[in-house]
Amino acid sequence: DVVMTQTPPSLSVAIGQSVSISCKSSQSLVYSDGKTYLHWLLQSPGRSPKRLIYQVSNLGSGVPDRFSGTGSQKDFTLKISRVEAEDLGVYYCAQTTHFPLTFGSGTKLEIK
Amino acid sequence: QVTLKESGPGILQPSQTLSLTCSFSGFSLSTSGICVSWIRQPSGKGLEWLATICWEDSKGYNPSLKNRLTISKDTSNNQAFLKITSVDTADTAIYYCARRPVITEGTFDYWGQGVMVTVSS
Repeated sequence: DVVMTQTPPSLSVAIGQSVSISCKSSQSLVYSDGKTYLHWLLQSPGRSPKRLIYQVSNLGSGVPDRFSGTGSQKDFTLKISRVEAEDLGVYYCAQTTHFPLTFGSGTKLEIK
Repeated sequence: QVTLKESGPGILQPSQTLSLTCSFSGFSLSTSGICVSWIRQPSGKGLEWLATICWEDSKGYNPSLKNRLTISKDTSNNQAFLKITSVDTADTAIYYCARRPVITEGTFDYWGQGVMVTVSS
């Protein structure tokens, strides 16, 4: 199975600050079609997960452009610029390149 | 508007079979490139992918659950199903279904609200 390692496990940030979350995979996530199926999800407290970014850097519909994703092969980063109160929750990376599909262990974002 | 909603028994005993239903609207599981996945989350823990079924009836399962999983669909009634046999307390979790457009995004773009399942004697 592809192991997805997220760091840090938690972080606390003030409103307006920027933050980055790292996700590293144990194998390259480039699929045979040339695309990289690495995605980011946010689970707000008491809610279902919500799609933020798909295929490394594409913003989901309705997602603010304060969110951005970068990376390639096995090393990926989610950046949140100008954090807002609504951004609190647990962020997960997920890979859908290889079966079984796997998720990172999550990064809990708290607002100072 | 895409929506999904899970339903299940709530509580069941060890060794029983868990049957879950995902009822959805706003899309069809007969549309090329559309799949529905089941994912679960034990309380306070992370996400675990269980199974996926796609428009052309291909299926994928998490081998960690060995042969306990069966996924199926009823395209006419816009439903997907998951059965888990021989449950035990480790299967206690919130179970989600999610849409996955494999040809476009590849991610889980819409999720249900989840259904809590408790396995207890």
